[in-house]
Amino acid sequence: GQQLNQSPQSMFIQEGEDVSMNCTSSSIFNTWLWYKQEPGEGPVLLIALYKAGELTSNGRLTAQFGITRKDSFLNISASIPSDVGIYFCAGQPGNNAGNMLTFGGGTRLMVKP
Amino acid sequence: DAGVIQSPRHEVTEMGQEVTLRCKPISGHNSLFWYRQTMMRGLELLIYFNNNVPIDDSGMPEDRFSAKMPNASFSTLKIQPSEPRDSAVYFCASSLKRRLGAISGTEAFFGQGTRLTVV
Repeated sequence: GQQLNQSPQSMFIQEGEDVSMNCTSSSIFNTWLWYKQEPGEGPVLLIALYKAGELTSNGRLTAQFGITRKDSFLNISASIPSDVGIYFCAGQPGNNAGNMLTFGGGTRLMVKP
Repeated sequence: DAGVIQSPRHEVTEMGQEVTLRCKPISGHNSLFWYRQTMMRGLELLIYFNNNVPIDDSGMPEDRFSAKMPNASFSTLKIQPSEPRDSAVYFCASSLKRRLGAISGTEAFFGQGTRLTVV
């Protein structure tokens, strides 16, 4: 089963607002990834984080790898209608010598123009 | 690069029929994953291959599911016999397992998925 707790499950915001979502785990992760999925498509990688404390930006998106290695957040600044979709966090557990990823349950983002 | 290519995009089949889903990973990638996505259970990892060898198939629901990777550029996920509860979107993803100093690279790139409906 899933080991990542992602919140919130859904958000309905006004265009222009900032958005924040996060993932937490009871165990350590080596890697945190953030994906976006639009209807009828597969998840698309947005940001990859590899070191505790790492803060990475991709345009209006910013993500951080928590110092404890048990959490990560994703912020979206000045949201626009095309930000609509489901955002997933994913991580590679610290005890996983392979490449397997564990996914959070997703945050469904809706943006009102 | 064309990305991960899955076929078919949509499949509707009757209960009891065999279903075969296909995946072509990104050229040069050495890891391949099959995921299933449903509203109730989200994204579930079914099986994972590294260098064409199945590494972990603990997510495969039952014996009706099987997956093969005969070469680095092709994989199949087969369900025989199919049941209505198998209806879901099945994703294939690939990645390049590498090491960056002391850090492993793990970015997985997904195909567009196959939406399976078993009636």
